[in-house]
Amino acid sequence: GDSVTQMEGPVTLSEEAFLTINCTYTATGYPSLFWYVQYPGEGLQLLLKATKADDKGSNKGFEATYRKETTSFHLEKGSVQVSDSAVYFCARTAYSSASKIIFGSGTRLSIRP
Amino acid sequence: DGGITQSPKYLFRKEGQNVTLSCEQNLNHDAMYWYRQDPGQGLRLIYYSQIVNDFQKGDIAEGYSVSREKKESFPLTVTSAQKNPTAFYLCASSTPMNTEAFFGQGTRLTVV
Repeated sequence: GDSVTQMEGPVTLSEEAFLTINCTYTATGYPSLFWYVQYPGEGLQLLLKATKADDKGSNKGFEATYRKETTSFHLEKGSVQVSDSAVYFCARTAYSSASKIIFGSGTRLSIRP
Repeated sequence: DGGITQSPKYLFRKEGQNVTLSCEQNLNHDAMYWYRQDPGQGLRLIYYSQIVNDFQKGDIAEGYSVSREKKESFPLTVTSAQKNPTAFYLCASSTPMNTEAFFGQGTRLTVV
Protein backbone atom coordinates (compact mmCIF):
# COMPACT_ATOMS: atom_id res chain seq x y z
CA GLY A 1 0.00 0.00 0.00
CA ASP A 2 0.88 3.67 -0.01
CA SER A 3 3.35 4.83 2.58
CA VAL A 4 5.90 7.51 3.36
CA THR A 5 9.11 6.80 5.24
CA GLN A 6 11.17 9.57 6.75
CA MET A 7 14.30 9.59 8.85
CA GLU A 8 13.79 9.15 12.55
CA GLY A 9 14.57 11.97 14.88
CA PRO A 10 15.33 13.77 16.88
CA VAL A 11 17.77 15.70 14.74
CA THR A 12 19.86 18.25 16.62
CA LEU A 13 21.95 20.81 14.76
CA SER A 14 23.78 24.02 15.53
CA GLU A 15 22.52 27.30 14.11
CA GLU A 16 23.66 27.93 10.50
CA ALA A 17 24.26 24.22 9.87
CA PHE A 18 23.06 22.48 6.71
CA LEU A 19 19.88 20.43 7.09
CA THR A 20 18.73 17.32 5.27
CA ILE A 21 15.70 15.29 6.31
CA ASN A 22 15.27 12.21 4.15
CA CYS A 23 11.87 11.10 2.83
CA THR A 24 10.98 8.25 0.50
CA TYR A 25 7.57 7.16 -0.75
CA THR A 26 6.10 4.02 -2.25
CA ALA A 27 6.06 4.11 -6.05
CA THR A 28 2.30 3.75 -6.54
CA GLY A 29 0.66 6.05 -9.03
CA TYR A 30 1.70 9.68 -9.52
CA PRO A 31 1.32 11.29 -6.11
CA SER A 32 1.66 14.90 -5.11
CA LEU A 33 4.28 15.29 -2.38
CA PHE A 34 4.34 17.67 0.57
CA TRP A 35 6.38 18.80 3.53
CA TYR A 36 4.41 20.09 6.52
CA VAL A 37 5.79 21.69 9.70
CA GLN A 38 4.27 21.50 13.18
CA TYR A 39 5.29 23.90 15.95
CA PRO A 40 4.64 22.85 19.58
CA GLY A 41 0.97 22.56 20.49
CA GLU A 42 -0.23 23.60 17.05
CA GLY A 43 -1.65 22.11 13.89
CA LEU A 44 0.33 21.50 10.73
CA GLN A 45 1.28 24.14 8.19
CA LEU A 46 2.18 23.43 4.60
CA LEU A 47 5.86 24.21 4.06
CA LEU A 48 6.24 23.25 0.40
CA LYS A 49 4.83 20.93 -2.24
CA ALA A 50 5.58 19.34 -5.62
CA THR A 51 3.01 17.82 -7.93
CA LYS A 52 5.09 16.02 -10.56
CA ALA A 53 8.49 14.51 -11.17
CA ASP A 54 11.47 16.91 -11.17
CA ASP A 55 9.40 19.72 -9.62
CA LYS A 56 11.19 21.61 -6.87
CA GLY A 57 9.16 23.02 -4.01
CA SER A 58 10.66 25.87 -1.99
CA ASN A 59 9.65 28.15 0.85
CA LYS A 60 11.41 30.06 3.66
CA GLY A 61 14.81 28.77 2.52
CA PHE A 62 13.67 25.13 2.51
CA GLU A 63 13.75 23.09 -0.71
CA ALA A 64 12.74 19.61 -1.83
CA THR A 65 12.87 18.01 -5.29
CA TYR A 66 10.44 15.33 -6.49
CA ARG A 67 12.73 12.46 -7.60
CA LYS A 68 10.75 9.74 -9.34
CA GLU A 69 13.80 7.58 -10.09
CA THR A 70 14.70 7.29 -6.40
CA THR A 71 11.12 7.80 -5.05
CA SER A 72 12.48 10.51 -2.76
CA PHE A 73 11.53 14.01 -1.61
CA HIS A 74 14.31 15.03 0.76
CA LEU A 75 13.98 18.34 2.63
CA GLU A 76 17.03 20.63 2.67
CA LYS A 77 17.98 24.02 4.04
CA GLY A 78 21.36 25.65 3.69
CA SER A 79 21.50 27.46 7.02
CA VAL A 80 19.07 26.62 9.81
CA GLN A 81 17.90 29.01 12.53
CA VAL A 82 16.68 28.40 16.07
CA SER A 83 13.17 29.31 14.85
CA ASP A 84 13.23 26.26 12.54
CA SER A 85 12.93 23.97 15.56
CA ALA A 86 9.73 21.98 14.97
CA VAL A 87 8.45 18.61 13.78
CA TYR A 88 8.55 18.07 10.01
CA PHE A 89 6.21 15.69 8.20
CA CYS A 90 6.61 14.33 4.70
CA ALA A 91 3.33 13.39 2.99
CA ARG A 92 1.87 12.14 -0.27
CA THR A 93 -1.56 11.83 -1.84
CA ALA A 94 -2.92 8.29 -1.84
CA TYR A 95 -3.00 6.15 -4.98
CA SER A 96 -6.57 5.04 -4.29
CA SER A 97 -7.93 8.53 -3.78
CA ALA A 98 -6.39 11.93 -4.37
CA SER A 99 -8.54 13.16 -1.50
CA LYS A 100 -6.47 11.20 1.02
CA ILE A 101 -3.12 12.42 2.28
CA ILE A 102 -0.74 9.93 3.88
CA PHE A 103 1.81 11.24 6.36
CA GLY A 104 5.17 9.99 7.50
CA SER A 105 5.89 9.61 11.21
CA GLY A 106 7.52 13.03 11.52
CA THR A 107 11.06 14.17 12.33
CA ARG A 108 11.69 16.39 15.32
CA LEU A 109 14.32 19.04 14.62
CA SER A 110 16.08 21.00 17.37
CA ILE A 111 18.47 23.85 16.58
CA ARG A 112 21.04 24.96 19.17
CA PRO A 113 21.98 28.65 19.30
CA ASP B 1 -9.65 35.83 8.12
CA GLY B 2 -10.26 32.45 6.52
CA GLY B 3 -9.25 29.32 8.34
CA ILE B 4 -10.20 26.26 10.32
CA THR B 5 -11.37 26.50 13.91
CA GLN B 6 -11.28 23.55 16.27
CA SER B 7 -12.82 23.73 19.69
CA PRO B 8 -12.12 23.26 22.47
CA LYS B 9 -8.32 23.27 22.57
CA TYR B 10 -8.29 20.97 25.63
CA LEU B 11 -11.00 18.49 26.58
CA PHE B 12 -11.28 16.13 29.52
CA ARG B 13 -13.83 13.34 29.72
CA LYS B 14 -14.52 10.38 31.93
CA GLU B 15 -14.09 6.90 30.53
CA GLY B 16 -17.28 5.57 28.96
CA GLN B 17 -18.62 8.95 27.88
CA ASN B 18 -19.07 10.02 24.28
CA VAL B 19 -17.51 13.35 23.35
CA THR B 20 -17.85 15.53 20.24
CA LEU B 21 -15.02 17.63 18.82
CA SER B 22 -15.96 20.64 16.74
CA CYS B 23 -14.38 21.63 13.41
CA GLU B 24 -15.54 24.62 11.36
CA GLN B 25 -14.00 26.09 8.20
CA ASN B 26 -14.76 29.24 6.22
CA LEU B 27 -12.45 28.46 3.32
CA ASN B 28 -15.25 27.11 1.13
CA HIS B 29 -13.43 23.78 0.82
CA ASP B 30 -15.36 20.69 -0.20
CA ALA B 31 -13.02 18.16 1.43
CA MET B 32 -12.52 17.84 5.19
CA TYR B 33 -10.54 15.37 7.31
CA TRP B 34 -9.96 14.16 10.84
CA TYR B 35 -6.57 12.87 11.93
CA ARG B 36 -5.31 11.46 15.19
CA GLN B 37 -1.79 12.13 16.44
CA ASP B 38 -0.20 10.20 19.31
CA PRO B 39 3.03 11.33 21.03
CA GLY B 40 6.02 10.88 18.76
CA GLN B 41 3.83 9.44 16.02
CA GLY B 42 2.66 10.53 12.62
CA LEU B 43 -0.91 11.37 11.67
CA ARG B 44 -3.44 8.65 11.15
CA LEU B 45 -6.61 9.30 9.14
CA ILE B 46 -9.88 8.67 10.98
CA TYR B 47 -12.54 9.89 8.55
CA TYR B 48 -12.72 12.15 5.54
CA SER B 49 -15.49 13.81 3.56
CA GLN B 50 -15.25 14.95 -0.02
CA ILE B 51 -18.67 16.58 -0.16
CA VAL B 52 -21.66 17.44 2.03
CA ASN B 53 -23.69 14.45 3.23
CA ASP B 54 -20.94 12.00 2.28
CA PHE B 55 -17.95 10.67 4.19
CA GLN B 56 -15.57 7.70 4.13
CA LYS B 57 -13.70 5.74 6.76
CA GLY B 58 -9.99 6.26 7.05
CA ASP B 59 -7.45 3.86 8.48
CA ILE B 60 -8.61 3.95 12.13
CA ALA B 61 -12.37 4.68 12.05
CA GLU B 62 -13.42 2.15 14.70
CA GLY B 63 -14.87 3.87 17.76
CA TYR B 64 -15.43 7.18 15.96
CA SER B 65 -18.34 8.73 14.06
CA VAL B 66 -18.77 11.86 11.96
CA SER B 67 -21.44 13.86 10.16
CA ARG B 68 -21.27 16.36 7.30
CA GLU B 69 -24.58 18.17 7.20
CA LYS B 70 -23.05 21.50 6.22
CA LYS B 71 -20.07 22.34 4.03
CA GLU B 72 -18.52 24.38 6.85
CA SER B 73 -18.76 21.81 9.62
CA PHE B 74 -17.36 18.31 10.20
CA PRO B 75 -17.77 17.27 13.86
CA LEU B 76 -16.11 14.14 15.20
CA THR B 77 -17.65 12.04 17.97
CA VAL B 78 -15.34 9.84 20.01
CA THR B 79 -17.53 7.07 21.35
CA SER B 80 -17.11 4.84 24.36
CA ALA B 81 -16.19 2.05 21.92
CA GLN B 82 -12.84 3.72 21.20
CA LYS B 83 -10.39 1.76 23.35
CA ASN B 84 -7.68 4.37 23.70
CA PRO B 85 -9.16 7.81 22.97
CA THR B 86 -6.56 10.01 24.67
CA ALA B 87 -4.73 11.78 21.81
CA PHE B 88 -4.30 15.01 19.86
CA TYR B 89 -6.98 15.38 17.17
CA LEU B 90 -6.44 17.47 14.06
CA CYS B 91 -9.05 18.62 11.57
CA ALA B 92 -8.12 19.72 8.06
CA SER B 93 -9.72 20.86 4.83
CA SER B 94 -8.28 20.94 1.37
CA THR B 95 -8.42 22.65 -1.96
CA PRO B 96 -9.54 20.66 -5.02
CA MET B 97 -7.29 17.67 -5.75
CA ASN B 98 -5.32 18.35 -2.58
CA THR B 99 -3.07 21.11 -3.83
CA GLU B 100 -2.92 22.17 -0.18
CA ALA B 101 -4.46 21.03 3.11
CA PHE B 102 -5.15 23.55 5.88
CA PHE B 103 -5.13 22.39 9.49
CA GLY B 104 -6.83 23.60 12.64
CA GLN B 105 -4.95 24.13 15.90
CA GLY B 106 -5.99 20.75 17.24
CA THR B 107 -7.92 19.45 20.25
CA ARG B 108 -6.10 17.54 22.94
CA LEU B 109 -8.50 14.99 24.40
CA THR B 110 -7.73 13.34 27.72
CA VAL B 111 -9.95 10.55 28.98
CA VAL B 112 -9.61 9.73 32.67
